[in-house]
Amino acid sequence: AQSVSQHNHHVILSEAASLELGCNYSYGGTVNLFWYVQYPGQHLQLLLKYFSGDPLVKGIKGFEAEFIKSKFSFNLRKPSVQWSDTAEYFCAVKKLVYNQGGKLIFGQGTELSVKP
Amino acid sequence: DTGVSQDPRHKITKRGQNVTFRCDPISEHNRLYWYRQTLGQGPEFLTYFQNEAQLEKSRLLSDRFSAERPKGSFSTLEIQRTEQGDSAMYLCASSLDILGRISYEQYFGPGTRLTVT
Repeated sequence: AQSVSQHNHHVILSEAASLELGCNYSYGGTVNLFWYVQYPGQHLQLLLKYFSGDPLVKGIKGFEAEFIKSKFSFNLRKPSVQWSDTAEYFCAVKKLVYNQGGKLIFGQGTELSVKP
Repeated sequence: DTGVSQDPRHKITKRGQNVTFRCDPISEHNRLYWYRQTLGQGPEFLTYFQNEAQLEKSRLLSDRFSAERPKGSFSTLEIQRTEQGDSAMYLCASSLDILGRISYEQYFGPGTRLTVT
């Protein structure tokens, strides 16, 4: 069965530290890839997405992610985190099958705590 | 238009009771999805609609669950004879699908938190 794996459940960083959150998926076909963020008390928001083209995608708030097809990975990065980045981060995959689906398969999430 | 809305935001019910949740998608979004999220987990797909047609249901969706989208706009999710294991956050999302090929990103609502006592 298709799955999405996020490597860390909880990451604690100090402000200005660099961030990398891992995401791997198991599906050999064409996919769309997403990172969603959920700030405390708020709903899921799209951080960035990969559909095709340049495997390095930039999102909001200085986040970026790199799609490495050979590794089935889509890791999220930010050079310097801020306290306001404290949130839960979810990686999600959508299989591209013509005229089907569109459902997202999510990883279990990574909780990021940034210490001021 | 302020995004996907869900009602109620919180629901506490006793085991065995029926509950119904409503989702209003972003206007003109033709796809609507329901997910369930439990503590410490990512959202899990339940079902989705293309306009008024329910096109896919997860095996997570037991026969106690039913979803409708009668006019292709808002949707309802009903859980009959609730069980404690149904306690979760129920999320709704919508997206625009073009020509059956391209699905753009899904926009999520705030969710309905269900507690079954």
